Amino acid sequence: EVQLVESGGDLVQPGRSLRLSCGASGFTFDDYAMHWVRQAPGKGLEWVSGISWNSVGIGYADSVKGRFTISRDNAKNSLYLQMNSLRAEDTALYYCTKDFFKTLGGSYFDWWGQGTLVTVSS
Amino acid sequence: DIQMTQSPSTLSASVGDRVTFTCRASQIISSWLAWYQQKPGKAPKLLISKASSLESGVPSRFSGSGSGTEFTLTISSLQPDDFATYYCQQYNSFPFTFGQGTKLEIK
Repeated sequence: EVQLVESGGDLVQPGRSLRLSCGASGFTFDDYAMHWVRQAPGKGLEWVSGISWNSVGIGYADSVKGRFTISRDNAKNSLYLQMNSLRAEDTALYYCTKDFFKTLGGSYFDWWGQGTLVTVSS
Repeated sequence: DIQMTQSPSTLSASVGDRVTFTCRASQIISSWLAWYQQKPGKAPKLLISKASSLESGVPSRFSGSGSGTEFTLTISSLQPDDFATYYCQQYNSFPFTFGQGTKLEIK
């Protein structure tokens, strides 16, 4: 069965950095695009970033563009999110999600991890 | 960005009821719409893709319809396990956007 396990969430001060990781198993990782979707406490879902199977296609929400960097290591079946210049409004549960497709451009999320909590506060 | 608007925000219903949720897109998105179910403390679960294609393992009491800008999710006969929050998501174009959710409560 597909498993996505996020890690790296923590309490950090505004302006600091954090790197999230997601380990994937149960499917051929390099056959699919992957994404990060976040959910602020008590709020709805927000797509953050996505990356195609071969890392050629990458997209970001405007709210994180220039501050966050998504990457993947297909040899390690892992997805990453480097988060710089963190703000209070980045506080959320960050989900690693699997795309139904290989490339970006029309993505929906057929498997989700349980999330890792990022809290940005002084 | 394409805005997704769900209505109602909250819906109270009873076991056995037929319920319908609505999701409207600010632009035409053809049938590029997915529905998710989220229970408290859990990750969202994909129910429907391409507006009306039921995912494997999802009970047949769930159905989706619509195209263009207006979409619906219907549960034909509510079961206790169905009380949750439901989100729509468009995947017609970047950035992929979600509706704000409809919370289905027990009456």
